[in-house]
Formats: sequence, C-alpha cells, structure tokens
Amino acid sequence: QPVLTQSSSASASLGSSVKLTCTLSRGHSSNIIAWHQQQPGKAPRYLMKLENSGIYNKGSGVPDRFSGSSSGADRYLTISNLQSEDEADYYCETWDSNTRVFGGGTKLTVL
Amino acid sequence: DVQVSESGGGLVQPGGSLRLSCAVSGSTFSRHGMIWVRQVPGKGLEWVSAIGGSGVTTYYADSVKGRFTISRDNSESTLFLQMYSLRAEDTAIYYCAKLASGSYTEDWGQGTLVTVSS
Repeated sequence: QPVLTQSSSASASLGSSVKLTCTLSRGHSSNIIAWHQQQPGKAPRYLMKLENSGIYNKGSGVPDRFSGSSSGADRYLTISNLQSEDEADYYCETWDSNTRVFGGGTKLTVL
Repeated sequence: DVQVSESGGGLVQPGGSLRLSCAVSGSTFSRHGMIWVRQVPGKGLEWVSAIGGSGVTTYYADSVKGRFTISRDNSESTLFLQMYSLRAEDTAIYYCAKLASGSYTEDWGQGTLVTVSS
C-alpha cells in the first residue's frame, strides 16, 4: 500500500509564501493525492485534488492563494500571501483499490 | 451545500460496543463512497473504513478488521460504524466523510469523540 511522507513542521512569515511537500512511496509516484487543512480545534477541510501532471482542482471557497504542483513522487501545496488563519495542520491523502492513507501532517506556523 | 453530521460517540468500557451514525444531506447519497477516519487528539488522521455507494463493497484498516463493521442506509442517507471489542487505543475523534467521484475525500463531518475507558 502507498505511504505518504510529510515534514512534521514548517514556518513562514505573515504575507510570505510557503511550499509544503508530500512524498509518495516507491511504486506509487503517479498517484493522485488530496490536500486537507485542519485549523486548531476544527474538523479537516478539503483543499484540493492534485494529479501527477500538476493539474489541481480546488474545493469550493478555497482562496486563490492556495495552489498545487507536482514533480515525480512529490506533491506540493503552495500558500501565497500567508494569513494568520493559514496556521493549521496540513494533511495529504491518497488511495488505492482497497485502502486509503494519510500523511503524518505538517504543522504550519505563521510568524 | 453538503452537510455531514456524526452522532453516537461517548464513553464506553474496554470490551464494549458502540454504534456511530452519520447523516448526509445536500447530495445524492447513494452515488458516493463514504469513509470513517479517526484522530487521537493531538495526533494525525487515520483511515478506518470505507464503503461503496451501493453498500456491497467494504474495506477496513488492519487495526479494526474483525471488530468494526461499516454499513449504510441509502434510503435514509445515513452511514454507520458498529464498533465491537473496543480497546483503549480506539479512543479518538471519529470523522465521517463523503468521497467525491474521483475517490478523494471531499466533505468532512465535525467529528464525534469516542472514549474507551473503565
């Protein structure tokens, strides 16, 4: 089954940009993934689906500041013009025929 | 807008049982796969179980296989998770979520807390 690897933490300044990485395990580098945001004390929220080609489709209401890209087994979430409300945990998700996995999550701190 | 709402969480003793429910509105329920995901407070997300739109196909994480049963009532737009032989390590917030046609998780509920303790 696939495994997703994420850095445990990241930080960036208010108004700057940050790029979070999710890496797919060997043999699964072409998988589609999804990015989710979980703000403190809240349920997760779907942000976008991201394909191997780099094409991404965002959920309803997700700001333009959020974008996705891909390179090989890496899937990226870029947040531009960071706002205080972007401080959250970010999880990637993928699936195969009979299982589903989440990455360990990246805790983003906005300085 | 799609609304997903879980219920049924609570305190249960080790070895006990509990049934979670999840009501979905604002979508054609039977067209979508559904999943349960849990999260120990302060920890990451863990996929628990999935079910296809018709209810015929079901899948489980190894950690719950043989103890949990997922099911759905499409006439009532409701998803269930029957949990047996509960252990302390099953203590978590349980989220219900609707899958999009592309198989990714698209709509999340607010979660219900299950605490397994004597």
